[in-house]
Amino acid sequence: GAGVSQSPRYKVAKRGQDVALRCDPISGHVSLFWYQQALGQGPEFLTYFQNEAQLDKSGLPSDRFFAERPEGSVSTLKIQRTQQEDSAVYLCASSLPHSGRASTGELFFGEGSRLTVL
Amino acid sequence: GENVEQHPSTLSVQEGDSAVIKCTYSDSASNYFPWYKQELGKGPQLIIDIRSNVGEKKDQRIAVTLNKTAKHFSLHITETQPEDSAVYFCAAAYSGGGADGLTFGKGTHLIIQP
Repeated sequence: GAGVSQSPRYKVAKRGQDVALRCDPISGHVSLFWYQQALGQGPEFLTYFQNEAQLDKSGLPSDRFFAERPEGSVSTLKIQRTQQEDSAVYLCASSLPHSGRASTGELFFGEGSRLTVL
Repeated sequence: GENVEQHPSTLSVQEGDSAVIKCTYSDSASNYFPWYKQELGKGPQLIIDIRSNVGEKKDQRIAVTLNKTAKHFSLHITETQPEDSAVYFCAAAYSGGGADGLTFGKGTHLIIQP
């Protein structure tokens, strides 16, 4: 499809399990973002990639969270030893290539992966 | 870092009336202010945005105003329709010097009463 695709849409994990969430950005979009959205809240920034380079990971809540984008397209967000507070919707977004002031700034979001940790 | 405050958290209006949602931001360097609409079970979708070099922008029934001095911006929806019911998020970012990561407000649940 033409949009951002995320999988799985729903994931239930037992506390302590590892999970991996996948994002397929729009073709040609070099910028990729991960956001965490708790119930009833706005999305909160986790990390940002430009191509395969992770330029900002300041929003990752702990060292249990790890993201990669090895070939500059598909990205995976991994959460190790999941905790109940990790329960949220994880949104992936991509945007047009950044070129200084020419950047549009518009983020195109996927439908998210809803993680429930029991 | 940037902090975005949004209110009200819930807004109920009669179909056909106008709705206004307001946001304030803290970082004077921010120069890009989009508004996103999120329907249940979907990701946020951009509906309108404004950059700091303009004070107002309109697209059909939707308009956004920006007051850089006061660091606040607002979304105006006129002639509301049932399909306008959703959660709306304002956001702010500095666009042009690096990552375009957005800082979002907590959202406004807009309810259109028939």
